[in-house]
Amino acid sequence: DAKTTQPPSMDCAEGRAANLPCNHSTISGNEYVYWYRQIHSQGPQYIIHGLKNNETNEMASLIITEDRKSSTLILPHATLRDTAVYYCIVTSYNTDKLIFGTGTRLQVFP
Amino acid sequence: EAEVAQSPRYKITEKSQAVAFWCDPISGHATLYWYRQILGQGPELLVQFQDESVVDDSQLPKDRFSAERLKGVDSTLKIQPAELGDSAMYLCASSLRPLAGAGELFFGEGSRLTVL
Repeated sequence: DAKTTQPPSMDCAEGRAANLPCNHSTISGNEYVYWYRQIHSQGPQYIIHGLKNNETNEMASLIITEDRKSSTLILPHATLRDTAVYYCIVTSYNTDKLIFGTGTRLQVFP
Repeated sequence: EAEVAQSPRYKITEKSQAVAFWCDPISGHATLYWYRQILGQGPELLVQFQDESVVDDSQLPKDRFSAERLKGVDSTLKIQPAELGDSAMYLCASSLRPLAGAGELFFGEGSRLTVL
Protein backbone atom coordinates (compact mmCIF):
# COMPACT_ATOMS: atom_id res chain seq x y z
CA ASP A 1 0.00 0.00 0.00
CA ALA A 2 1.15 3.54 -0.78
CA LYS A 3 2.53 5.53 2.13
CA THR A 4 0.87 8.80 3.11
CA THR A 5 2.32 11.96 4.62
CA GLN A 6 0.21 14.32 6.71
CA PRO A 7 1.10 17.33 8.85
CA PRO A 8 1.09 16.33 12.51
CA SER A 9 -1.21 19.14 13.59
CA MET A 10 -3.39 21.99 12.32
CA ASP A 11 -5.61 24.68 13.79
CA CYS A 12 -8.86 26.06 12.41
CA ALA A 13 -11.26 28.73 13.60
CA GLU A 14 -14.83 27.63 14.25
CA GLY A 15 -17.05 28.32 11.25
CA ARG A 16 -14.16 28.42 8.81
CA ALA A 17 -13.24 25.72 6.31
CA ALA A 18 -10.66 23.21 7.48
CA ASN A 19 -8.42 21.97 4.67
CA LEU A 20 -6.40 18.89 5.61
CA PRO A 21 -3.70 17.88 3.11
CA CYS A 22 -2.35 14.42 2.42
CA ASN A 23 0.56 13.46 0.22
CA HIS A 24 0.54 10.02 -1.41
CA SER A 25 3.07 10.39 -4.19
CA THR A 26 3.58 6.64 -4.66
CA ILE A 27 -0.11 5.84 -5.13
CA SER A 28 -0.87 3.35 -7.88
CA GLY A 29 -3.77 3.19 -10.27
CA ASN A 30 -5.95 0.81 -8.29
CA GLU A 31 -5.52 2.44 -4.91
CA TYR A 32 -8.23 4.42 -3.16
CA VAL A 33 -7.83 7.34 -0.78
CA TYR A 34 -9.79 7.00 2.45
CA TRP A 35 -10.26 9.46 5.29
CA TYR A 36 -11.21 8.53 8.84
CA ARG A 37 -11.23 10.60 11.98
CA GLN A 38 -10.88 9.74 15.64
CA ILE A 39 -12.36 11.89 18.33
CA HIS A 40 -10.64 11.57 21.69
CA SER A 41 -11.28 8.22 23.41
CA GLN A 42 -13.52 6.93 20.63
CA GLY A 43 -12.99 4.52 17.77
CA PRO A 44 -12.18 5.89 14.32
CA GLN A 45 -15.10 7.02 12.15
CA TYR A 46 -15.32 6.80 8.38
CA ILE A 47 -15.56 10.15 6.59
CA ILE A 48 -15.17 9.69 2.86
CA HIS A 49 -13.20 7.91 0.18
CA GLY A 50 -12.38 8.33 -3.51
CA LEU A 51 -10.39 6.99 -6.44
CA LYS A 52 -9.99 9.74 -9.05
CA ASN A 53 -12.91 12.09 -8.93
CA ASN A 54 -13.68 14.58 -6.23
CA GLU A 55 -16.24 13.35 -3.75
CA THR A 56 -18.67 15.07 -1.41
CA ASN A 57 -20.97 13.80 1.30
CA GLU A 58 -22.75 15.28 4.28
CA MET A 59 -19.56 15.34 6.33
CA ALA A 60 -16.86 16.56 3.98
CA SER A 61 -15.44 16.97 0.50
CA LEU A 62 -12.44 15.12 -0.89
CA ILE A 63 -10.36 16.79 -3.57
CA ILE A 64 -7.86 14.54 -5.37
CA THR A 65 -5.29 16.12 -7.67
CA GLU A 66 -5.27 15.09 -11.30
CA ASP A 67 -2.02 13.13 -10.89
CA ARG A 68 -3.50 11.56 -7.73
CA LYS A 69 -0.31 12.22 -5.78
CA SER A 70 -2.07 14.30 -3.16
CA SER A 71 -5.51 15.03 -1.78
CA THR A 72 -7.27 17.45 0.53
CA LEU A 73 -10.09 16.77 2.93
CA ILE A 74 -12.32 19.80 3.35
CA LEU A 75 -14.63 20.36 6.30
CA PRO A 76 -16.61 23.34 4.96
CA HIS A 77 -17.71 24.85 8.27
CA ALA A 78 -15.64 23.45 11.11
CA THR A 79 -17.22 23.16 14.55
CA LEU A 80 -15.67 22.44 17.92
CA ARG A 81 -16.90 18.85 17.57
CA ASP A 82 -14.65 18.41 14.55
CA THR A 83 -11.59 18.51 16.84
CA ALA A 84 -10.04 15.09 16.24
CA VAL A 85 -7.19 13.18 14.63
CA TYR A 86 -7.75 12.80 10.89
CA TYR A 87 -6.23 9.83 9.09
CA CYS A 88 -5.54 9.68 5.35
CA ILE A 89 -5.17 6.07 4.19
CA VAL A 90 -4.37 4.67 0.78
CA THR A 91 -5.27 1.10 0.02
CA SER A 92 -5.85 -1.02 -3.03
CA TYR A 93 -9.07 -2.46 -4.35
CA ASN A 94 -7.74 -5.92 -3.55
CA THR A 95 -6.60 -5.13 -0.03
CA ASP A 96 -9.29 -5.79 2.51
CA LYS A 97 -7.71 -3.83 5.33
CA LEU A 98 -6.87 -0.28 6.35
CA ILE A 99 -3.39 0.56 7.60
CA PHE A 100 -3.38 3.73 9.70
CA GLY A 101 -0.52 6.24 10.04
CA THR A 102 -0.26 8.87 12.77
CA GLY A 103 -2.69 11.33 11.14
CA THR A 104 -3.24 15.07 11.58
CA ARG A 105 -4.49 16.41 14.88
CA LEU A 106 -7.01 19.14 14.02
CA GLN A 107 -7.83 21.62 16.75
CA VAL A 108 -10.89 23.80 16.11
CA PHE A 109 -10.93 26.89 18.31
CA PRO A 110 -13.77 29.31 19.14
CA GLU B 1 -28.16 2.81 14.55
CA ALA B 2 -26.32 -0.53 14.86
CA GLU B 3 -22.99 -0.42 16.64
CA VAL B 4 -19.97 -2.59 17.28
CA ALA B 5 -20.08 -3.60 20.94
CA GLN B 6 -16.91 -4.10 22.97
CA SER B 7 -16.27 -5.03 26.55
CA PRO B 8 -14.84 -4.29 28.97
CA ARG B 9 -14.48 -0.59 28.33
CA TYR B 10 -11.55 -0.39 30.76
CA LYS B 11 -9.31 -3.08 32.20
CA ILE B 12 -6.48 -2.77 34.70
CA THR B 13 -4.36 -5.83 35.27
CA GLU B 14 -0.98 -6.77 36.62
CA LYS B 15 1.75 -8.06 34.37
CA SER B 16 1.78 -11.83 33.86
CA GLN B 17 -2.00 -11.99 34.30
CA ALA B 18 -4.39 -13.09 31.58
CA VAL B 19 -6.84 -10.65 30.02
CA ALA B 20 -9.61 -11.05 27.46
CA PHE B 21 -11.58 -8.63 25.31
CA TRP B 22 -14.90 -9.32 23.64
CA CYS B 23 -16.37 -7.86 20.47
CA ASP B 24 -19.80 -8.21 18.93
CA PRO B 25 -19.83 -6.79 15.39
CA ILE B 26 -22.77 -5.27 13.60
CA SER B 27 -25.23 -8.00 12.64
CA GLY B 28 -24.47 -9.45 9.25
CA HIS B 29 -20.91 -8.14 9.06
CA ALA B 30 -18.77 -11.03 7.91
CA THR B 31 -15.40 -9.31 8.28
CA LEU B 32 -14.04 -8.49 11.72
CA TYR B 33 -10.79 -6.77 12.67
CA TRP B 34 -8.87 -6.28 15.90
CA TYR B 35 -6.58 -3.24 16.11
CA ARG B 36 -4.24 -2.09 18.87
CA GLN B 37 -3.64 1.60 19.43
CA ILE B 38 -0.80 2.79 21.62
CA LEU B 39 -1.22 6.33 22.97
CA GLY B 40 -0.20 8.92 20.39
CA GLN B 41 -0.08 6.46 17.51
CA GLY B 42 -2.52 5.30 14.87
CA PRO B 43 -4.34 1.96 15.16
CA GLU B 44 -2.25 -1.09 14.26
CA LEU B 45 -3.99 -4.09 12.72
CA LEU B 46 -3.55 -7.27 14.77
CA VAL B 47 -5.90 -9.78 13.14
CA GLN B 48 -8.59 -9.98 10.48
CA PHE B 49 -11.39 -12.55 10.28
CA GLN B 50 -13.64 -13.45 7.41
CA ASP B 51 -16.55 -15.28 9.03
CA GLU B 52 -14.82 -17.72 11.42
CA SER B 53 -11.56 -17.90 9.50
CA VAL B 54 -8.42 -15.90 10.14
CA VAL B 55 -7.48 -14.01 6.98
CA ASP B 56 -4.47 -12.14 8.33
CA ASP B 57 -2.74 -12.46 11.69
CA SER B 58 0.73 -11.54 10.54
CA GLN B 59 1.02 -8.72 13.12
CA LEU B 60 -0.41 -10.69 16.03
CA PRO B 61 2.25 -11.56 18.67
CA LYS B 62 1.31 -15.21 18.73
CA ASP B 63 3.44 -16.12 21.72
CA ARG B 64 1.03 -14.28 23.99
CA PHE B 65 -1.95 -13.13 21.92
CA SER B 66 -4.75 -15.27 20.57
CA ALA B 67 -7.98 -14.43 18.80
CA GLU B 68 -10.99 -16.48 17.91
CA ARG B 69 -14.35 -16.08 16.23
CA LEU B 70 -15.79 -19.54 16.67
CA LYS B 71 -19.24 -19.09 15.17
CA GLY B 72 -18.35 -16.30 12.81
CA VAL B 73 -20.19 -13.72 14.86
CA ASP B 74 -18.62 -12.38 18.08
CA SER B 75 -14.92 -12.55 18.77
CA THR B 76 -12.52 -12.73 21.70
CA LEU B 77 -8.96 -11.40 21.87
CA LYS B 78 -6.84 -12.84 24.66
CA ILE B 79 -3.47 -11.86 26.07
CA GLN B 80 -1.59 -14.25 28.32
CA PRO B 81 0.62 -13.27 30.02
CA ALA B 82 0.13 -9.51 29.83
CA GLU B 83 3.24 -7.33 29.68
CA LEU B 84 3.73 -3.65 30.49
CA GLY B 85 4.06 -2.86 26.79
CA ASP B 86 0.57 -4.22 26.11
CA SER B 87 -1.00 -1.14 27.68
CA ALA B 88 -3.08 0.28 24.84
CA MET B 89 -6.56 0.69 23.41
CA TYR B 90 -7.86 -2.45 21.71
CA LEU B 91 -10.29 -1.62 18.95
CA CYS B 92 -12.67 -3.94 17.16
CA ALA B 93 -14.10 -3.10 13.76
CA SER B 94 -16.38 -4.81 11.29
CA SER B 95 -17.45 -4.38 7.69
CA LEU B 96 -20.42 -5.65 5.74
CA ARG B 97 -18.43 -6.68 2.73
CA PRO B 98 -14.82 -6.59 1.54
CA LEU B 99 -13.56 -3.02 1.59
CA ALA B 100 -12.62 -3.21 -2.10
CA GLY B 101 -13.77 0.31 -2.85
CA ALA B 102 -16.68 0.21 -0.44
CA GLY B 103 -14.42 1.68 2.16
CA GLU B 104 -16.25 1.64 5.45
CA LEU B 105 -15.13 0.03 8.65
CA PHE B 106 -17.34 0.46 11.69
CA PHE B 107 -15.36 0.70 14.92
CA GLY B 108 -16.37 0.04 18.49
CA GLU B 109 -15.54 2.35 21.40
CA GLY B 110 -12.52 0.25 22.28
CA SER B 111 -11.20 -1.48 25.40
CA ARG B 112 -8.49 0.42 27.21
CA LEU B 113 -5.95 -1.86 28.88
CA THR B 114 -3.54 -0.73 31.57
CA VAL B 115 -0.91 -3.22 32.67
CA LEU B 116 0.77 -2.47 36.01
